[in-house]
Amino acid sequence: NAGVTQTPKFRVLKTGQSMTLLCAQDMNHEYMYWYRQDPGMGLRLIHYSVGEGTTAKGEVPDGYNVSRLKKQNFLLGLESAAPSQTSVYFCASGQGGNEQFFGPGTRLTVL
Amino acid sequence: GQQLNQSPQSMFIQEGEDVSMNCTSSSIFNTWLWYKQEPGEGPVLLIALYKAGELTSNGRLTAQFGITRKDSFLNISASIPSDVGIYFCAGLGYGKLTFGQGTILTVHP
Repeated sequence: NAGVTQTPKFRVLKTGQSMTLLCAQDMNHEYMYWYRQDPGMGLRLIHYSVGEGTTAKGEVPDGYNVSRLKKQNFLLGLESAAPSQTSVYFCASGQGGNEQFFGPGTRLTVL
Repeated sequence: GQQLNQSPQSMFIQEGEDVSMNCTSSSIFNTWLWYKQEPGEGPVLLIALYKAGELTSNGRLTAQFGITRKDSFLNISASIPSDVGIYFCAGLGYGKLTFGQGTILTVHP
């Protein structure tokens, strides 16, 4: 039982490049989330999903897209990376009514 | 959007001291959660509070859900060096979490 896993762990991009972050969970959770963490700002919700095939915007969705084609996976895409997207990205999963379980994070630097 | 104010922002304490941190909100939450994050890791749930006025303990940790449902506090008793990390409060509403800015805890042996 691996919980929530994220790939890659680290990535460096140039401005304008694209990439996809992958999140996988093996707890059969319905809800999945993508957050970004910046110094002094806690975690902010980017997008989330309440079930397979559904997605919704969070607090800071601009510049990101997501897809939930399979229940266990939640993908976060950056179509044209910008330096402002340099951050640590966390995926989480849960059942919606209570606690969320977090992955180990992806550290992204955009030059 | 909803805002959570967490204080203090950082604490430097001696091993053995007690610690207290709190969160206040402009909105009501149905659930309050406290997480701890260690360097290079994701947040890990410490305590979950589901009812106004609820007081819950987990070992040396005690947390309370404020009666107004707009605040919560976390106490750590007899701190030890492995308590170092960032502590986050979070309010859960409509399946989404809103996080405080975090309290950075440093414990000197």
